[in-house]
Amino acid sequence: EVQLVESGGGLVQPGGSLRLSCAASGFTFSSYDMHWVRQATGKGLEWVSAIGTAGDTYYPGSVKGRFTISRENAKNSLYLQMNSLRAGDTAVYYCAREELWAKGSGMDVWGQGTTVTVSS
Amino acid sequence: EIVLTQSPGTLSLSPGERATLSCRASQSVSSSYLAWYQQKPGQAPRLLIYGASSRATGIPDRFSGSGSGTDFTLTISRLEPEDFAVYYCQQYGSSPRLTFGGGTKVEIK
Repeated sequence: EVQLVESGGGLVQPGGSLRLSCAASGFTFSSYDMHWVRQATGKGLEWVSAIGTAGDTYYPGSVKGRFTISRENAKNSLYLQMNSLRAGDTAVYYCAREELWAKGSGMDVWGQGTTVTVSS
Repeated sequence: EIVLTQSPGTLSLSPGERATLSCRASQSVSSSYLAWYQQKPGQAPRLLIYGASSRATGIPDRFSGSGSGTDFTLTISRLEPEDFAVYYCQQYGSSPRLTFGGGTKVEIK
């Protein structure tokens, strides 16, 4: 079964750090581009980062310089290192795969999400 | 930055009716780079359409996508009870590389 399982969410104080993980199974992880997408409670979807099969990385301005996406193909794992966290980063964080985002193939498999709460 | 505006915010319809959802971009978007997702409460999004009009694997043919340039449409030909959800459009751009629309909620009338 094709599956993505996120972990690592929790409560963190403003200014703190957290590392999210996403474990992939049932497909050739190294062949897929991967994304992190977040959703604050009652709000829409916000793209957080992407990493290509060659390890190229991309971020929107809202997280650039604070978040780092990485992957470890040998462990079929995706990571998101989040530093200098703010209250506005509070959300459910999803990992998702995409066959080839240069072709706009769409995110066809998503994890169930992990919740990050930034609060004092 | 390309901004995607979805309308209406909420669509109230009955099962069996046709749903037409709009996604308008602030700048022209290549048709190859427009996708639609469905999200139900408490669940992750599900890919419906990519490349503006190609259905993802396993998506029923009552879902169809169309459009080009700045105007794109998701049509559900006959609403089934399981289709009541929130729908998001998404585009691939230059900076940022990817954005979502604000969503349209399709609710039971």
